[in-house]
Amino acid sequence: ETGVTQTPRHLVMGMTNKKSLKCEQHLGHNAMYWYKQSAKKPLELMFVYNFKEQTENNSVPSRFSPECPNSSHLFLHLHTLQPEDSALYLCASSQDRGDWWELFFGSGTQLSVL
Amino acid sequence: DQQVKQNSPSLSVQEGRISILNCDYTNSMFDYFLWYKKYPAEGPTFLISISSIKDKNEDGRFTVFLNKSAKHLSLHIVPSQPGDSAVYFCAASVLRNNAGNMLTFGGGTRLMVKP
Repeated sequence: ETGVTQTPRHLVMGMTNKKSLKCEQHLGHNAMYWYKQSAKKPLELMFVYNFKEQTENNSVPSRFSPECPNSSHLFLHLHTLQPEDSALYLCASSQDRGDWWELFFGSGTQLSVL
Repeated sequence: DQQVKQNSPSLSVQEGRISILNCDYTNSMFDYFLWYKKYPAEGPTFLISISSIKDKNEDGRFTVFLNKSAKHLSLHIVPSQPGDSAVYFCAASVLRNNAGNMLTFGGGTRLMVKP
């Protein structure tokens, strides 16, 4: 397995459910990211982790809870979401220094909140 | 308020012709600019970048132009090929002062190259 892998690819959940999105990278990177892409909106940065430490939280509501147990894995725990949280959630990784702007994205999880 | 804007949601071009995708930004602190490309059902992939100390960067068929005074950048694809059909995202960052690994993206432009 190479690159950045996200599971599941699709997720439908009710507002009272708890679910988790998983991301795994096999590129030896030390920075990992969660981005959100809503319909007709730009990609929005949610969280940044460098060496497992969260360095950015872009004013994300607490119903989204990230977890980075090691440099290769990143989770996004979801609970009591709202319908407006329906979006494509993209994970990415990069080097923590140098060309950090070259992000390697996963294929995303398309989330629908009913 | 969006700091990076791509005002054309879509663009259609004939194969072999030039494709020009535009991007405007408002934050004068941005000093590094990038283009990403996204195919359906895949994540975006890095395409080309330019530092604010340059006004042009070329990589094969892809050239990015930066006009700092106008806060405008553009991506030229010459010649355009059907395989270039994708959504193109412009992005910007502040590299100086080690401001953190943050990219600000535009809304994207869907390019369709007709055979």
